[in-house]
Amino acid sequence: AQSVAQPEDQVNVAEGNPLTVKCTYSVSGNPYLFWYVQYPNRGLQFLLKYITGDNLVKGSYGFEAEFNKSQTSFHLKKPSALVSDSALYFCAVSGGIYNFNKFYFGSGTKLNVKP
Amino acid sequence: DVKVTQSSRYLVKRTGEKVFLECVQDMDHENMFWYRQDPGLGLRLIYFSYDVKMKEKGDIPEGYSVSREKKERFSLILESASTNQTSMYLCASSLSGLAAHEQYFGPGTRLTVT
Repeated sequence: AQSVAQPEDQVNVAEGNPLTVKCTYSVSGNPYLFWYVQYPNRGLQFLLKYITGDNLVKGSYGFEAEFNKSQTSFHLKKPSALVSDSALYFCAVSGGIYNFNKFYFGSGTKLNVKP
Repeated sequence: DVKVTQSSRYLVKRTGEKVFLECVQDMDHENMFWYRQDPGLGLRLIYFSYDVKMKEKGDIPEGYSVSREKKERFSLILESASTNQTSMYLCASSLSGLAAHEQYFGPGTRLTVT
């Protein structure tokens, strides 16, 4: 069965420090992996995705994510956090080659960036 | 820019009422989705549609139905609202095809059933 795990409910980081939000996945076949961000009282916004190719994917607002097949992980990273990055972050995986139009979301990680 | 709109931002309904949530997208996307979002549970797929009049159950379809009569519009129906359906409801759309495409989300409807 396809699934996504975000092991941390909350991540706290000081402004200017690097941040990492963790995600592990389980999917049959090659995974399509995504990160979304949700600001308060808003819908989700797409940040970046991994389909194939380079394991380091760059996305919006200076975020990047590293795909690690052996560890089945897709961690979100940013070299220097901003207070405005504070939001709820969701990792998602599509259903694999036989079910690629269905998406499975993690439970979300709240990122708090303190000044 | 892709735009996904939902008919209401906030909705309060009574137990047993029939509730309609409407979603419209303007980018000619084949796929449309309805999720509910609850704290600690993330997003859970209720139904999705990959074409007009086509639908498929997601992970939690019980108590819900959907309608897609036109490509741009996808409706979620709560036949008889119950208090455990109090939640944030998110609609999304995406292109179809072998390459997985990102989803575009509406702003959400916060439904309270009393």
